[in-house]
Amino acid sequence: NAGVTQTPKFQVLKTGQSMTLQCAQDMNHEYMSWYRQDPGMGLRLIHYSVGAGITDQGEVPNGYNVSRSTTEDFPLRLLSAAPSQTSVYFCASRLAGGPSGANVLTFGAGSRLTVL
Amino acid sequence: AQKITQTQPGMFVQEKEAVTLDCTYDTSDQSYGLFWYKQPSSGEMIFLIYQGSYDEQNATEGRYSLNFQKARKSANLVISASQLGDSAMYFCAMRESISGGTSYGKLTFGQGTILTVHP
Repeated sequence: NAGVTQTPKFQVLKTGQSMTLQCAQDMNHEYMSWYRQDPGMGLRLIHYSVGAGITDQGEVPNGYNVSRSTTEDFPLRLLSAAPSQTSVYFCASRLAGGPSGANVLTFGAGSRLTVL
Repeated sequence: AQKITQTQPGMFVQEKEAVTLDCTYDTSDQSYGLFWYKQPSSGEMIFLIYQGSYDEQNATEGRYSLNFQKARKSANLVISASQLGDSAMYFCAMRESISGGTSYGKLTFGQGTILTVHP
C-alpha cells in the first residue's frame, strides 16, 4: 500500500501565484485533513473532510480552499499565495468508524512550500 | 486557550537512560484520546502510542510508555533505554469527543519537544 501520497515535495512560489497541493490515500479512509507545521507552533489544522462532498474548516483556514470529490483525493488550493503561507504542509487520513478513539492519523511525507 | 501544552522545548538524555517528555492537556470532554508522534529530521510523522481517557492501564508500546494522570490532565511520554535513533521532535496530540461508533473529532497538537540523545 502507498498510504498517503503528497505531491509536490517542494515548491517555490511568488506572492500572488496559485497552486494546488495534491493528496491521495489508498486506505479507504473516510477522514482526511490538512495541517501546516511552523517552528514553535506544532501542527495546526487547516481543513478537513469526513467524506466525499463534505469539508469543513480547521484552526487556520484563511487563504486555503479544499474539495473532496472522491474518497481517495483531498487537494489543498492556495488561490493567491502569501509569504505567511511559507510552511511545511501535511496531509493525513484515518478511519472514522469502528474503535474510533484509537484510529490513528496516518500522515503523508509532507510538502515544503516557500512563498517569495 | 491552548489545549495541549508541551513545556519543554528541548531535552537532552544520555544513551541507554530513560527520559520523560511532558504533556498537559485541557478538555471538558469525558471521552478523549491522547497520542504521541515522533518526527525525525527526515520530516515524516510516526505514530508512537495511544491512550484513551477510559483506559485503566497506562499504554505501553515497546520502549514507550504513557504516564497518564487523568486528574492532573497529564500524559507524559516515557522512553526507556534511549537510543541515538530516538533523537527527534516529539508531539503530543489530543482528539476530543471520541464516544460513539464514528468520530470526526479533530486532532490538536502541542508545540513539540526536541529530544537529543547523547552517546
